[in-house]
Amino acid sequence: QIQLVQSGPELKKPGESLKISCKASGYTFTDYAMQWVKQAPGKGLQYMGWINTQTGKPTYADDFKERFVFSLETSASTAYLQINNLKNEDTATYFCARLEFGVFDYWGQGVMVTVSS
Amino acid sequence: DIQMTQSPASLSASLGETVTIECLASEDIYSNLAWYQQKPGKSPQLLIYDASSLQDGVPSRFSGSESGTQYSLEINSLQSEDAATYFCQQHHDYPYTFGAGTKLELK
Repeated sequence: QIQLVQSGPELKKPGESLKISCKASGYTFTDYAMQWVKQAPGKGLQYMGWINTQTGKPTYADDFKERFVFSLETSASTAYLQINNLKNEDTATYFCARLEFGVFDYWGQGVMVTVSS
Repeated sequence: DIQMTQSPASLSASLGETVTIECLASEDIYSNLAWYQQKPGKSPQLLIYDASSLQDGVPSRFSGSESGTQYSLEINSLQSEDAATYFCQQHHDYPYTFGAGTKLELK
C-alpha cells in the first residue's frame, strides 16, 4: 500500500537548522511530485511548495523562498525539507504529501517541530 | 494568489443531521477544488476532488457541489466519526491555497 513515512519530532533552538525526511513506498517515487505543507499549532494548512521528483527542481511559495530547501534522494524514494536559521514562528507540524492531478492524495503523518530557546 | 474564503469557521450538529460547508474562491477556479478532513493529531485525508468527485473509500454521505465560484461540501446523516476539521483547497493555479478550515463538532 502507498505510504509516506516522515521522520520524528524535533526540538531546536533559534538559529539552528534541521532536515526532515519523507520516505515513500508502494508506488514509483518519480511518477508523482511531492508537496510540503505547514500547519502552525491550532492553525490551518499553509502550502509551502513542491519538488519535481523527476528533475529535482524545487518550487517555493513566496513565504518559503528564504531558509527553506526541498531536496531528494531518489534512490531511497525519499524527499527532504531543510529549514535553516530556525525562528520561533517555524514551530509547526510539517507534512509531505503526494500530488496527483493537483490534489494531495496521500499524506505523511507529519513532523512536529518546536523552536524554543 | 487565489484566496479561498471558507465558512463557517465552526459548527455544531447532531447525529443524523445534514451540514454544509462552503468555500468562495476569489476568482474562477474551474472546478479545481478539493476537500480534506483532518482529525486531531492526524494528517488531512482527501475526501473530494474536482469539486464533486468522491475519493475512493470515502462514504457516499459526503458530496461536493459548485455554483460559480462558490463550492460546497455536504455531509448527510452525520456520524460520530465525522467530527473533524474540514479544509477546501484550490488546485487551479499555483500556489495552491487552502481555506481556513471549518471545525465540525457533534452534539
